[in-house]
Amino acid sequence: RKEVEQDPGPFNVPEGATVAFNCTYSNSASQSFFWYRQDCRKEPKLLMSVYSSGNEDGRFTAQLNRASQYISLLIRDSKLSDSATYLCVVIPPLVDYKLSFGAGTTVTVRA
Amino acid sequence: ETGVTQSPTHLIKTRGQQVTLRCSSQSGHNTVSWYQQALGQGPQFIFQYYREEENGRGNFPPRFSGLQFPNYSSELNVNALELDDSALYLCASSPGHTLTDTQYFGPGTRLTVL
Repeated sequence: RKEVEQDPGPFNVPEGATVAFNCTYSNSASQSFFWYRQDCRKEPKLLMSVYSSGNEDGRFTAQLNRASQYISLLIRDSKLSDSATYLCVVIPPLVDYKLSFGAGTTVTVRA
Repeated sequence: ETGVTQSPTHLIKTRGQQVTLRCSSQSGHNTVSWYQQALGQGPQFIFQYYREEENGRGNFPPRFSGLQFPNYSSELNVNALELDDSALYLCASSPGHTLTDTQYFGPGTRLTVL
């Protein structure tokens, strides 16, 4: 089983819509969780950390469900500029230095 | 921009050749991590260097090796290139190697092996 699994999508949504997707992780002792954004042929950039209590950054909301071992990302009021691949990232137990990435979920926002 | 730079931007090599990729870390950062991202996949951890020492390694064969210099810049060397080594190679610098140290990625080097 892969360490981190994501629905690859693509999610095609109109501007203004809400889109949400999940990511599952295999190791229940995983330490930290993040969402990164990657534009086509560019480097990944940190979008937000994911905390146990859930957190929000503007139109973006991230949730962590440790019991079911998944994290989620919700984007409200989608903009054209939100079109990207969203990478779920987990730091495994006892390996502080290693980011384990999912394969990414592609979101396309259309006018 | 993150302040992390990589060179070259693109590279074409043939099977069996050797390649060296370079990374300059962000000012004040002493840790560099390298990742390989194949098409359609997420980045895979290759190894990390902290203050010139290898601090951890992923599931990559020994023909993937690295160095970190006193100024904390880093090199990734790949010997005996294989077709499957074609990928985007990303380096990430961070102020340290702990859980709370955010990794900032450079733009990557796109390697094609023919």
